[in-house]
Amino acid sequence: AQSVTQLDSQVPVFEEAPVELRCNYSSSVSVYLFWYVQYPNQGLQLLLKYLSGSTLVKGINGFEAEFNKSQTSFHLRKPSVHISDTAEYFCAVILSGGSNYKLTFGKGTLLTVNP
Amino acid sequence: KAGVTQTPRYLIKTRGQQVTLSCSPISGHRSVSWYQQTPGQGLQFLFEYFSETQRNKGNFPGRFSGRQFSNSRSEMNVSTLELGDSALYLCASGPSLSTDTQYFGPGTRLTVL
Repeated sequence: AQSVTQLDSQVPVFEEAPVELRCNYSSSVSVYLFWYVQYPNQGLQLLLKYLSGSTLVKGINGFEAEFNKSQTSFHLRKPSVHISDTAEYFCAVILSGGSNYKLTFGKGTLLTVNP
Repeated sequence: KAGVTQTPRYLIKTRGQQVTLSCSPISGHRSVSWYQQTPGQGLQFLFEYFSETQRNKGNFPGRFSGRQFSNSRSEMNVSTLELGDSALYLCASGPSLSTDTQYFGPGTRLTVL
């Protein structure tokens, strides 16, 4: 079975600082990788996904993530954060090659951007 | 296109009761998945329906069930509610394949007293 570990439950940063949210996964088979964001009292919104090809994936709102197969990691980065980026971020995987939508999520990282 | 809608948004029930939650997917989407989100367990997959058939199931007791109608709308039912069933229940819809993007609804906040 696959699992996802988000190494930091909370990450406080100052506005305009860079940020990295860490994600490691474990799976015996190939997976697709996702980052979702959840704003207070809302559902999840997809930031970006890695299916295949280039290991550097660019998403919405200036976020990007890099897939590292040898380290089984998929860390999310943003060079300069804004107050509006304050939210909870979830890393998730789906088994590749199938026709299913069963996402396995990490526990989430709460990003707090301070002025 | 309208997004994924979930009704009701908030619900309060007492232990032992049953509850039905509804999800309307984005037009044209044939897959609907359900997730439970709690502070302790995080986001956990309940089940997925595709063209009225359950395609995947998570590790939840039989008290949790669902179905999908021919118009792709889905309902989930929880019988004999327990305090631990208090959670945000999220519905997501997608076209078909796991490579397609899933879109989440705002969720139904269920409180069991």
